[in-house]
Amino acid sequence: NAGVTQTPKFQVLKTGQSMTLQCAQDMNHEYMSWYRQDPGMGLRLIHYSVGAGITDQGEVPNGYNVSRSTTEDFPLRLLSAAPSQTSVYFCASSSGLAGGAETQYFGPGTRLLVL
Amino acid sequence: AQSVAQPEDQVNVAEGNPLTVKCTYSVSGNPYLFWYVQYPNRGLQFLLKYITGDNLVKGSYGFEAEFNKSQTSFHLKKPSALVSDSALYFCRTGNQFYFGTGTSLTVIP
Repeated sequence: NAGVTQTPKFQVLKTGQSMTLQCAQDMNHEYMSWYRQDPGMGLRLIHYSVGAGITDQGEVPNGYNVSRSTTEDFPLRLLSAAPSQTSVYFCASSSGLAGGAETQYFGPGTRLLVL
Repeated sequence: AQSVAQPEDQVNVAEGNPLTVKCTYSVSGNPYLFWYVQYPNRGLQFLLKYITGDNLVKGSYGFEAEFNKSQTSFHLKKPSALVSDSALYFCRTGNQFYFGTGTSLTVIP
């Protein structure tokens, strides 16, 4: 199993550009999440999904969109990139609601630089 | 509401010495608590978790954590630190919203 995969590994954008960060998992997990990691702030939840067709907002959703058309894929879209979105983005999945005992599995991350 | 706090941004320890990375929690009801490790330029990896039962939880790479209900703590420990343990460590509640801010551990040769 590849686990959780993310593409691209690194991306440079200009302010105002849009892009999609890809995330896929092959563990048949229902629950998937997107986090951003910034120095001194830990991981902050952007959006999450509890199953295909169901998404919800996390702590910092502004400027990001998600959709979940399949169990495997959970792309994150930046609509109009801003320098404040410069960060490292992680996708994670788990077999159950992370409000319980289930362990999350993380992808390797995407480093995004917005100029 | 749930939250965790990692009071130390940075912990330095000499190789071979015991290490402790601190985490305190605020959780209503039965807490689920996790530790993750992040090596440079990598994603987070699961180390261990407390669900119920024995207060001493053993995990990967020789790490263990002690759940202390009276002190609302879940400190990560290892009896003898290795240079390869140098990484960023995150505590998390059972709710995916609530990661700690992370503690950078440096093991000095």
